[in-house]
Amino acid sequence: RKEVEQDPGPFNVPEGATVAFNCTYSNSASQSFFWYRQDCRKEPKLLMSVYSSGNEDGRFTAQLNRASQYISLLIRDSKLSDSATYLCVVRRNTGFQKLVFGTGTRLLVSP
Amino acid sequence: NAGVTQTPKFRILKIGQSMTLQCTQDMNHNYMYWYRQDPGMGLKLIYYSVGAGITDKGEVPNGYNVSRSTTEDFPLRLELAAPSQTSVYFCASSYSIGASGSGETQYFGPGTRLLVL
Repeated sequence: RKEVEQDPGPFNVPEGATVAFNCTYSNSASQSFFWYRQDCRKEPKLLMSVYSSGNEDGRFTAQLNRASQYISLLIRDSKLSDSATYLCVVRRNTGFQKLVFGTGTRLLVSP
Repeated sequence: NAGVTQTPKFRILKIGQSMTLQCTQDMNHNYMYWYRQDPGMGLKLIYYSVGAGITDKGEVPNGYNVSRSTTEDFPLRLELAAPSQTSVYFCASSYSIGASGSGETQYFGPGTRLLVL
C-alpha cells in the first residue's frame, strides 16, 4: 500500500464549479500535511499547508481528518488557471522528517 | 533571487555514459534534495543534504552520487547511465532550524529531463 494515495483523475469541471479532492495516508506518525500544485512539465509549488482545524486561502479550503487519516482540498469557483495536478504531501514525524509525495490528482477546468 | 536553478534542462545519454546534474540555490537554505519523478509516480527522494559537507541517502540512491561542498550547490552525479534512470529530476531546497526536520516549504528547481537510450 502506498504511503500517500490519491485518485489520479482527471477531474473535468466547467469554470465556476466546485471540486474536491481527497487523499489518504497510511503512516499515523505523519505530522504535517500540505497540498502542492504542479503545472504540466513544471516544478511542484506549495499551494497551502493543512492544519488540524482546517484552513482557507481564498477559493481554496483544506481539511484534515486525523482519525480517518485523510486530507481534502476544496476549490470553489474554479478558474481555467486552476488546471494542474494537485499533489498531496505528508511529513513524517519519525527519523528524518522527509516529505512523502502522492502521485497527484489532475484537474482540468474547461470554459 | 533566482531561487533554485538547474542545468541542463534536457539531456540525452547513451547507456553507460556519465553526467552531472547541476543545482544551485541562492536563498541560503541549509537543506537540499534531489528527487526523480517518473510518469504516474510520486516524487522519490534520491539524496538529501542538511548542510555543507553532509549528505545522506533517500529512498532510491542506487546509481547516483552527490556532494555538498558549499551551501549553494548540490550536484547529482550519474555513473554508468541506465534506461531505468530516464526520468525528470528535480532539485529542491528548504530552510529548517531543527536537526531532523526537512522544513515545511520546499522550493523546487525547474527540473532536468533525462533520456537514457
